[in-house]
Amino acid sequence: QVQLQESGPRLVKPSETLSLTCAVSGFSISSGHYWGWIRQSPGKGLEFLGSVYHDGSTYHSRSLKSRVTISVDTSKNQFSLTLNSVTAADTAVYYCARGVVPDSAWLAVRYWGQGIMVTVSS
Amino acid sequence: DVVMTQSPDSLAVSLGERATINCKSSPSVFYSTTNKNYIAWYQQKSGQPPKLLIYWASVREAGVPDRFSGSGSGTDFTLTISSLQAEDVAVYYCQQHLDTPTFGQGTKVEIK
Repeated sequence: QVQLQESGPRLVKPSETLSLTCAVSGFSISSGHYWGWIRQSPGKGLEFLGSVYHDGSTYHSRSLKSRVTISVDTSKNQFSLTLNSVTAADTAVYYCARGVVPDSAWLAVRYWGQGIMVTVSS
Repeated sequence: DVVMTQSPDSLAVSLGERATINCKSSPSVFYSTTNKNYIAWYQQKSGQPPKLLIYWASVREAGVPDRFSGSGSGTDFTLTISSLQAEDVAVYYCQQHLDTPTFGQGTKVEIK
């Protein structure tokens, strides 16, 4: 059974960098599928941030592309999100995810992490 | 980006009755090469991540009760709960997965 677990700081100061990691169990990232990040806030609802393949190729939200980096570490079976220059608008629950369609970067999400609430505040 | 608009924002349905949620995309999310509509539907209960119900507009995810069905093509889609159960109280979202994913604003389903 595929399981995903987010980890990282829950409080980030404005203008700093948000960094989260998603540990995957029950499936080897190297076996395929795209792995991604989605966030949810009261103001913006559900928002796709980007996805990554095991070879490191990435796809990003157009609106956040300049601030988002998604990377993969197949040796640790995990992938990561960094979001630069955060503001209060980046306060949200961040989910890591895997899609149902193996070869699509645009995730219809079958597997979700439980989510991690990240607050941007000084 | 593809804009997804759901209606209504909320609805109250009696137990055992039908619930219908609509979702409109702009532009179309039909891809002629695959002959598929790239729409997914999710159910989200309080404090939980969303749960995938339907993808490619009408393919029911494994383990999802058959009272949930998806239909539509092009720009107009519907999620139907044929006989509402107490455990179906939740917020439902549509999402397009043809391009950079975007979601509808959600529809809250309650018991009348």
